[in-house]
Amino acid sequence: AQSVTQLGSHVSVSEGALVLLRCNYSSSVPPYLFWYVQYPNQGLQLLLKYTSAATLVKGINGFEAEFKKSETSFHLTKPSAHMSDAAEYFCAVSDRAGGSYIPTFGRGTSLIVHP
Amino acid sequence: KAGVTQTPRYLIKTRGQQVTLSCSPISGHRSVSWYQQTPGQGLQFLFEYFSETQRNKGNFPGRFSGRQFSNSRSEMNVSTLELGDSALYLCASNEAGANIQYFGAGTRLSVL
Repeated sequence: AQSVTQLGSHVSVSEGALVLLRCNYSSSVPPYLFWYVQYPNQGLQLLLKYTSAATLVKGINGFEAEFKKSETSFHLTKPSAHMSDAAEYFCAVSDRAGGSYIPTFGRGTSLIVHP
Repeated sequence: KAGVTQTPRYLIKTRGQQVTLSCSPISGHRSVSWYQQTPGQGLQFLFEYFSETQRNKGNFPGRFSGRQFSNSRSEMNVSTLELGDSALYLCASNEAGANIQYFGAGTRLSVL
C-alpha cells in the first residue's frame, strides 16, 4: 500500500524567504508523485508531477521539487515566497492499478506567508 | 476547454435527509473520481467511475453511492445524512489512462 507523510501541518515564512514543504512517500513500485495547491474555497490545482523523466521537477508559480529515491522524499521548494503563495499544499502518490491512477494524498501543509 | 464543474457549490441539509451532488468533467475525460475532504481525515477517496461503471471504490459505507452517465457526467448520492458527512466533496476527472487528475471547486455540504 502506498502512503504519503507531510511533515508539519503548518509552515510559516516571511515574504521573500525560502519555502520548503516536506513530503515522504511509501510505495512498493516506482511511484508517480504530485504536488497540488488548494486556495480557500477552491479545488486542488496541480503544481507539478514526477514521472521518472527527471529528478528535479519544475512546476508553476516558481515551485520545484526534487525526487530522492534513497530518502523516499519529494520536497517542494520555492526560492522566494510571495503573499499569494499562502494556501494549503498537498503531496500525493499514485501508481497504476487496474487502469486507474488513484492518488493517495498527504494530510496537507498550510503555508502562511508573513509580510 | 471548460474545467470540472460541480453543482451546487454549497448545500445545507439536516440529519436523515439525502443529497445528490453533480459533477461535469472536462470535455473528453471519461474518468471521474470523488473525494471527501474534512479537517480531521483529510482527502479521502470515495469512488471512481469510467465509462458508466464503478472501477474503484474507497472505504466508505453503502450510504455513499454514485453513478456516471453516457456523457461522462457523474452524480454522487449520500443517503440518511449524518453530522459527520459535513465536508467538502471534490470531483476530479482525467483522460483515460492518464495519471493527472483535474479537480472541480467542490461542493461544501453542511449537515445540521
